[in-house]
Amino acid sequence: DTEVTQTPKHLVMGMTNKKSLKCEQHMGHRAMYWYKQKAKKPPELMFVYSYEKLSINESVPSRFSPECPNSSLLNLHLHALQPEDSALYLCASSQGQTFQETQYFGPGTRLLVL
Amino acid sequence: GDSVTQMEGPVTLSEEAFLTINCTYTATGYPSLFWYVQYPGEGLQLLLKATKADDKGSNKGFEATYRKETTSFHLEKGSVQVSDSAVYFCALKPNAGGTSYGKLTFGQGTILTVHP
Repeated sequence: DTEVTQTPKHLVMGMTNKKSLKCEQHMGHRAMYWYKQKAKKPPELMFVYSYEKLSINESVPSRFSPECPNSSLLNLHLHALQPEDSALYLCASSQGQTFQETQYFGPGTRLLVL
Repeated sequence: GDSVTQMEGPVTLSEEAFLTINCTYTATGYPSLFWYVQYPGEGLQLLLKATKADDKGSNKGFEATYRKETTSFHLEKGSVQVSDSAVYFCALKPNAGGTSYGKLTFGQGTILTVHP
C-alpha cells in the first residue's frame, strides 16, 4: 500500500480565515513533505519533516505553519492567506530522505483564496 | 545547482503512436532519476525510477534508461493510449549532502494528449 491521503479535497477560504490541511500515511514512512503546485507548473517544495522534526523550510511565509503531531500525520495551518496562495497543495512521504527513496504523493487539496 | 530539462510540450499523438519525452539533467555525482505522471485533477504518481547508471525503469509499458554519458533519462512507450493523456514530470534526487539533500528537483513537465 503506497497511499497518502489528504483532506479536504477542495477548500475555499477568505483572506481572514484560519484553516488547516491534513495529510496521513500508514506506510511507516519517516519523512513527510508539503509542496505547492500552481497550474501547469511543477510542484515547489515548502517543508520537510524528518522523524517528526522540521528539517527543511524553503523560506515559506509565516502565514503557512506546518505541524507534525506524530509519524503518520502532517498538518498545514493556514492563516491570513493571499489570493496568490491559491494552488494545489500536495503532501508526500518517503521512507527516509536518501537519494534512492521514492516520494509518494497524495491527491492534493485544491485551495482557493478569495 | 541541480536542474532537469524536459522537452517542451504539449505533445499530441494518435492512439498507438510511439512516445518519446526527452529529459536531461545536471547534477553532481550520480542522482536517482524519476518519472512522475499527473492525471487531470490528481496528485503525482510515480511512474518509474532508476537509481544508478544503465538501470532501466519500467512500468505500464513505459520505459526509461539512466544514461550517465549523456545525462539523460528519456521516457518511451511503444503504443500510447487515450488514457495516457496526462502531464509527465522528470525529476532527480541528488546523492550528495548539502542543501539539496533529500530534495526532488523537477523538470517543467510535458503535457501529453492522445487522440483516438
